Amino acid sequence: DSGVTQTPKHLITATGQRVTLRCSPRSGDLSVYWYQQSLDQGLQFLIQYYNGEERAKGNILERFSAQQFPDLHSELNLSSLELGDSALYFCASSVEAGGSSYEQYFGPGTRLTVT
Amino acid sequence: GQSLEQPSEVTAVEGAIVQINCTYQTSGFYGLSWYQQHDGGAPTFLSYNGLDGLEETGRFSSFLSRSDSYGYLLLQELQMKDSASYFCAVMDTGRRALTFGSGTRLQVQP
Repeated sequence: DSGVTQTPKHLITATGQRVTLRCSPRSGDLSVYWYQQSLDQGLQFLIQYYNGEERAKGNILERFSAQQFPDLHSELNLSSLELGDSALYFCASSVEAGGSSYEQYFGPGTRLTVT
Repeated sequence: GQSLEQPSEVTAVEGAIVQINCTYQTSGFYGLSWYQQHDGGAPTFLSYNGLDGLEETGRFSSFLSRSDSYGYLLLQELQMKDSASYFCAVMDTGRRALTFGSGTRLQVQP
């Protein structure tokens, strides 16, 4: 158990819909990262927040957005969903940001299926 | 940008030693990390090399050569539970985020 929690565990929705994925980082961690893992694909970095502020952006689509709240939990919003958005979405956390955040703790993931 | 290359699959037998290589291209990075992911599970951190050389953690060791843009993960005394995917990752100094390789699926056979 990494200490990072994600809800829901599974999500099935239809194309065109909007969903929200939730993540609570490990106690004491200020950085939260979101990753997408498609079937047989590696981990694609989406976005990072540090202490409530966006710190780094990866291959995140404009239909996707995220935020980190004052209690440090984070939400990833996916809208106008397409079949290709079906994937595992992981949240990770680390104490620091930047070069020292090479050790990240991953949550169990949310498996999103778009039908 | 960055790119990392690692073999897609490796097979070995219990008790053996296996080396998973990773070559990378990046304009600037802090170091090389390795993560393990079992089927259906979350990635877990294994090791980090910020400097050239070998880092040892139990049965696992990791090596980095910055001049060769190359690193490897060495797994000794393989156990069935080591069957998993292994990802190398670099922390980019520009974007300050981890970029992962596509992963190496290790299958340990009895």
